[in-house]
Amino acid sequence: AQTVTQSQPEMSVQEAETVTLSCTYDTSESDYYLFWYKQPPSRQMILVIRQEAYKQQNATENRFSVNFQKAAKSFSLKISDSQLGDAAMYFCAYRSTGNQFYFGTGTSLTVIP
Amino acid sequence: NAGVTQTPKFRILKIGQSMTLQCAQDMNHNYMYWYRQDPGMGLKLIYYSVGAGITDKGEVPNGYNVSRSTTEDFPLRLELAAPSQTSVYFCASSYSNYQGGNQPQHFGDGTRLSIL
Repeated sequence: AQTVTQSQPEMSVQEAETVTLSCTYDTSESDYYLFWYKQPPSRQMILVIRQEAYKQQNATENRFSVNFQKAAKSFSLKISDSQLGDAAMYFCAYRSTGNQFYFGTGTSLTVIP
Repeated sequence: NAGVTQTPKFRILKIGQSMTLQCAQDMNHNYMYWYRQDPGMGLKLIYYSVGAGITDKGEVPNGYNVSRSTTEDFPLRLELAAPSQTSVYFCASSYSNYQGGNQPQHFGDGTRLSIL
């Protein structure tokens, strides 16, 4: 089974600064998809960004971008110009070829005004 | 634009009681999933379904049952509630064809369940 590891239980960042959240995964598959989800205190799960493993170009969505290193099985999330609304739990997720999703244990991000 | 709808949002059960958590999606997604999220933890897959009439166990299926009689609905049943089942439950759906695709999961708002 695939495993997803988020080694940073908590992170903090000053407003307007940049922060990077780490995620590594273990798999023997060559074709898969990776996602970052945000879970604010409301508990909703909100898709932040997605990455196809076959694409070498890193995905970007406005202030959010990823650093995808397939050989290292690493998928970090960079948040630029952090805003107070970015404060949340962030989950890294792996989607297998069998369409099962595996989630990391999450990183709690605090944004300091 | 309802997406994934879960009911109820909150529920308190006594040990040994049973209940059904409802989940419905209106996006014509073929895949549906049930997760539980314990405090400070990620999501653990309970059951999933690849289409009407087909269900399969996830990582933590014990104590739960599911059915998928229609594409839209995927209820989760607890037969004999135990304190260890106190958790937040999320239903999710996604679309996938034979080519896979990068479609993410769409989540409901969750059901907070307490077993006392």
